Amino acid sequence: DVQLVESGGGLVQPGGSLRLSCAASGFTFTSHDMHWVRQGKGKGLEWVSAIGAAGDTFYSGSVKGRFTISRENARNSLYLQMNSLSAGDTAVYYCARQGVDPRDGQFNAMDVWGLGTTVIVSS
Amino acid sequence: DIVMTQSPDSLAVSLGERATINCRSSQSVLFSSNNKNYLGWYQQKPGQPPKLLIYWASTRESGVPDRFSGSGSGTDFTLTISSLQAEDVAVYYCHQYYSTPLTFGGGTKVEIK
Repeated sequence: DVQLVESGGGLVQPGGSLRLSCAASGFTFTSHDMHWVRQGKGKGLEWVSAIGAAGDTFYSGSVKGRFTISRENARNSLYLQMNSLSAGDTAVYYCARQGVDPRDGQFNAMDVWGLGTTVIVSS
Repeated sequence: DIVMTQSPDSLAVSLGERATINCRSSQSVLFSSNNKNYLGWYQQKPGQPPKLLIYWASTRESGVPDRFSGSGSGTDFTLTISSLQAEDVAVYYCHQYYSTPLTFGGGTKVEIK
């Protein structure tokens, strides 16, 4: 089965750091761009960051300079290093796979999501 | 950034009736070179991650019931649930993947009347 499993969430003090991990299985990890999307309690979805299959990286303005996305293809793993955390970063963080249209190979919407890992920034 | 605006924020529909959700993007998400709209729709139930329903604005994801349909092009899009079922109670989000930063609409909560 195609699966994404996040880990690494927890309680951290303001200004602290945390590293999230996402373990992928059931598909060819190297063929897909990967994303992190977060959701505050009772709030909507917010895209955080993406990394291409070739390692190119993209960030939302709210996390640029504080968060670093990376991937380790040999381990089928995605990471998010989060520094200088503040209360506004409190959320469930989802790992998601960029889909690929099977008809023409073009990149598509995020089609597989993990269950998420919860990050709470509080003193 | 492309701003996605959904309406309404919530709606209550009787079982078996039609539910319609609108989404507008602040700029076109139609890529002229392939004539595809980089617009998706997600369903999210409480305590669950989002589930992809529709991509390319109107293509149903595998396994999604045919009562769900997407339409529109450019900047205006619609998700229609033709005959609301109890299991369709959820929050629905539109999403543009045309350009980074990727963005989502604010969500529409669908309930049973």
